[in-house]
Amino acid sequence: GNSVTQMEGPVTLSEEAFLTINCTYTATGYPSLFWYVQYPGEGLQLLLKATKADDKGSNKGFEATYRKETTSFHLEKGSVQVSDSAVYFCALSDRSGGYNKLIFGAGTRLAVHP
Amino acid sequence: DVKVTQSSRYLVKRTGEKVFLECVQDMDHENMFWYRQDPGLGLRLIYFSYDVKMKEKGDIPEGYSVSREKKERFSLILESASTNQTSMYLCASSPPLLSGYTFGSGTRLTVV
Repeated sequence: GNSVTQMEGPVTLSEEAFLTINCTYTATGYPSLFWYVQYPGEGLQLLLKATKADDKGSNKGFEATYRKETTSFHLEKGSVQVSDSAVYFCALSDRSGGYNKLIFGAGTRLAVHP
Repeated sequence: DVKVTQSSRYLVKRTGEKVFLECVQDMDHENMFWYRQDPGLGLRLIYFSYDVKMKEKGDIPEGYSVSREKKERFSLILESASTNQTSMYLCASSPPLLSGYTFGSGTRLTVV
């Protein structure tokens, strides 16, 4: 079945460092891909998405490109801030069984220090 | 501001109790979902619903049931709570074409 694999955390960075969180997927067909962020004590928020190959999603300085050839959707940010500390989830849309739903990765915790 | 509201942020229940977790959305979304979140396991789908009075099992439905009597409300029921159901429970809703979910803030349930 369809699945999402994320790099294990925690990822610990200093402020202004470059961030990459790896995400690869297994899917039949052409799923949409998403990144969600969960700040401490809150639910998940949609960070960005891409609906077809070579699309780039971007928001709040974060970017991810839908790479069908490598089945990847890695999250990047050029300069992280302390306020980016959160758990990041990669997800794909799954239409098996005739219903649309999301399948999530295990999440990657990011800690940014001043 | 559109919203998904979960009735409780924290709950403590005893083993064997019947537990109700409530979720209400104000976006007129057709689709609603219940996930549980556990460290290292990410989010796992328990049940979902695509219409009033309609429900479908997700990946881990055992020990749970759901109710959707009105479009805006989707309830998760633990028929007889057990300690292995201690978890964070997240409700979400979406429009039919799945442009993305809107999540509630979550309910952290502890079963003792």
